[in-house]
Amino acid sequence: GEDVEQSLFLSVREGDSSVINCTYTDSSSTYLYWYKQEPGAGLQLLTYIFSNMDMKQDQRLTVLLNKKDKHLSLRIADTQTGDSAIYFCAVDMDSSYKLIFGSGTRLLVRP
Amino acid sequence: GAGVSQSPSNKVTEKGKDVELRCDPISGHTALYWYRQRLGQGLEFLIYFQGNSAPDKSGLPSDRFSAERTGESVSTLTIQRTQQEDSAVYLCASSSGRAFFGQGTRLTVV
Repeated sequence: GEDVEQSLFLSVREGDSSVINCTYTDSSSTYLYWYKQEPGAGLQLLTYIFSNMDMKQDQRLTVLLNKKDKHLSLRIADTQTGDSAIYFCAVDMDSSYKLIFGSGTRLLVRP
Repeated sequence: GAGVSQSPSNKVTEKGKDVELRCDPISGHTALYWYRQRLGQGLEFLIYFQGNSAPDKSGLPSDRFSAERTGESVSTLTIQRTQQEDSAVYLCASSSGRAFFGQGTRLTVV
C-alpha cells in the first residue's frame, strides 16, 4: 500500500528557513498536502500542490514537488516561533481522495 | 456550514460503554474520512466514504468500530464496548478535491 515518510523532528532558529521533507510511494497521487497541527488544536490545511506542478509559492511557504523521486518539501521562509507545530504531509491514493498521512514532523523554532 | 463540524468536542466514557461521534461535512463534499490520532502519534486512517460507493473500511481496527454516512451528509462513527486503548482524538475530514478537517472529538475512556 501507499507509504508516506517524514523525518520526526526539525529545530531551527527564528528567522532562518525551515525545510520539511516528505517521500511517498504512490506515483498516481493527484493532490499532495501540507497540514499544520498546533498543540491541542485540529489540523489546519496549510497548502497543497497539484501533481502536474513542480512548485507552488504562497507568502512564506514554498512547496516543491519532484515527481520522479516522489519527494515533496515544504519550505518556510523567515521562520517564526508561531510556526512551531507538527507538520503533516499527506497524499491522495490512486487519485481517489483517500488520504494517506506521514507521521508528522515536529518543528521547534528557537528564539 | 463554513467548515467541517464535529461533535462532541470532548467525550469521557467508562470502559465498556458505546459512544457515537458525529461529523457534519462541508456541503457538497463527496468524500468523507475518519482518522484517529493517539497522543503523540500520527494520523491513522479508519474509514473513507466516497459518494454512494461502498465505503473503504480497511482502517477500522476491530469489529467494535463502525461508521455510517447517508448520501453526502452527516456521518457517525460508533465505537462499541469502548476500551482504554480507544482513547484518542477522532478527526473527520471532507473533500471535493482538497480535504478539510474538523477540530476533532477527544475521546477519553476511563
